[in-house]
Amino acid sequence: AQRVTQPEKLLSVFKGAPVELKCNYSYSGSPELFWYVQYSRQRLQLLLRHISRESIKGFTADLNKGETSFHLKKPFAQEEDSAMYYCALSGGGTASKLTFGTGTRLQVTL
Amino acid sequence: GAGVSQSPSNKVTEKGKDVELRCDPISGHTALYWYRQRLGQGLEFLIYFQGNSAPDKSGLPSDRFSAERTGESVSTLTIQRTQQEDSAVYLCASSLESSTDTQYFGPGTRLTVL
Repeated sequence: AQRVTQPEKLLSVFKGAPVELKCNYSYSGSPELFWYVQYSRQRLQLLLRHISRESIKGFTADLNKGETSFHLKKPFAQEEDSAMYYCALSGGGTASKLTFGTGTRLQVTL
Repeated sequence: GAGVSQSPSNKVTEKGKDVELRCDPISGHTALYWYRQRLGQGLEFLIYFQGNSAPDKSGLPSDRFSAERTGESVSTLTIQRTQQEDSAVYLCASSLESSTDTQYFGPGTRLTVL
């Protein structure tokens, strides 16, 4: 079974402060991990995926297989980062579904 | 280009009625997914289509829920004898081939069961 846990429902930070959105997963094989984001009144969209090893909008995420974590980080939060963030896992292959965590709302205040 | 579209955008129905929700995926995407998002909660997987077949329908909450996909394009999610707990936003997503490809989401259908 595959499971994704996002322990924080809400994370409130000040503008310019570092951000870390936590994500832990449970999966017996080699998963592919993703972060999706939903800005206010917009559709859910892909933010980044671990396999790409890229930084999007200043966000990065490193897959730590030992700790089974895929935390999302940004050194300096901006107001426009306020959104709902979902961590997701796929077991890979054409028969595999994407399992989402329950999401963390990031609120960046002045 | 056109993204994933869903209709209707809003649906209000009475308890016990049947409803049908429609999803038009991005042209050429063979994988299609349905999710449910209850108020204040995360995304709940319902069913996944690869082409016209459904390799994983483990998320359908009861036999009142069914879905089909024809012609590797449009999909419909049908809820029979709706209950108040069915009230939620139903999201559809499509991806090129599999769940490891980027999923593109539709705007959702907000279902309210009175």
